[in-house]
Amino acid sequence: GAGVSQSPSNKVTEKGKDVELRCDPISGHTALYWYRQRLGQGLEFLIYFQGNSAPDKSGLPSDRFSAERTGESVSTLTIQRTQQEDSAVYLCASSLGAGAVEQFFGPGTRLTVL
Amino acid sequence: GQNIDQPTEMTATEGAIVQINCTYQTSGFNGLFWYQQHAGEAPTFLSYNVLDGLEEKGRFSSFLSRSKGYSYLLLKELQMKDSASYLCAVRDLDSSNTGKLIFGQGTTLQVKP
Repeated sequence: GAGVSQSPSNKVTEKGKDVELRCDPISGHTALYWYRQRLGQGLEFLIYFQGNSAPDKSGLPSDRFSAERTGESVSTLTIQRTQQEDSAVYLCASSLGAGAVEQFFGPGTRLTVL
Repeated sequence: GQNIDQPTEMTATEGAIVQINCTYQTSGFNGLFWYQQHAGEAPTFLSYNVLDGLEEKGRFSSFLSRSKGYSYLLLKELQMKDSASYLCAVRDLDSSNTGKLIFGQGTTLQVKP
C-alpha cells in the first residue's frame, strides 16, 4: 500500500451532524493537501500542511471546516454542522514538498448530506 | 482573480488525435499541470510545463505559451481507456510556497469506437 489512502470511501450523514474524514499520505511526503470536488466542478483547494509549519487554511469555506495533521502523518478533515452544500468528494493529496511537481491523490471520500 | 477555462466535454474516435485546450488568467505563474481522472477514481498526474514549448511523453504531449496564457494537451492514437476527465491546473506565484493548485472544471473526453 504505497499510495495515499482515505477513509471512509463513502459517508452519508444528516444535515447538522459532524463528520470526520481521514487521510493517510505516502510515507515520507511532507506536504499534504485537501481539495473538494463538487459534482461537475473542478477541484477546490481547502488546506495545506507542510511539516511542522503553520498550515495554509486560505481555502476553507467556513469556520465549520477544520483540519489537523500530526507531524508528517495522518490528517483529519472535520466538518461541523454539515449542510447540504457540503456534499462533494473530498480528495487528499501528498507530495515530497511544496515545490514537488507531482501531487499524489487518494481515492477520495464521497460525502452526501441529506 | 484566478480563472482557468477548458471545454466541458469532447468526443473523439478511437485511433484519432484530440487536442484539449486550456486558458488561464492568474496573478502569477509557476507551472501548468494536466491530470487525468477516470470516473470515480483519483486524479493522476500526466504532465507539467513551466517553460514555453512542447513536452512529449509517449502518446501524450502538453504545450504551453505563457504570453498567451494558453496550454493544450494532445492525445494521439486514442484508445477507449483514454475516456476520462482531463484536468488543467495552474500553480501561481502566490501559492509557490504551498504548491497548491488551481484547477479548471475539467474536460470529459469520450472516445468512441
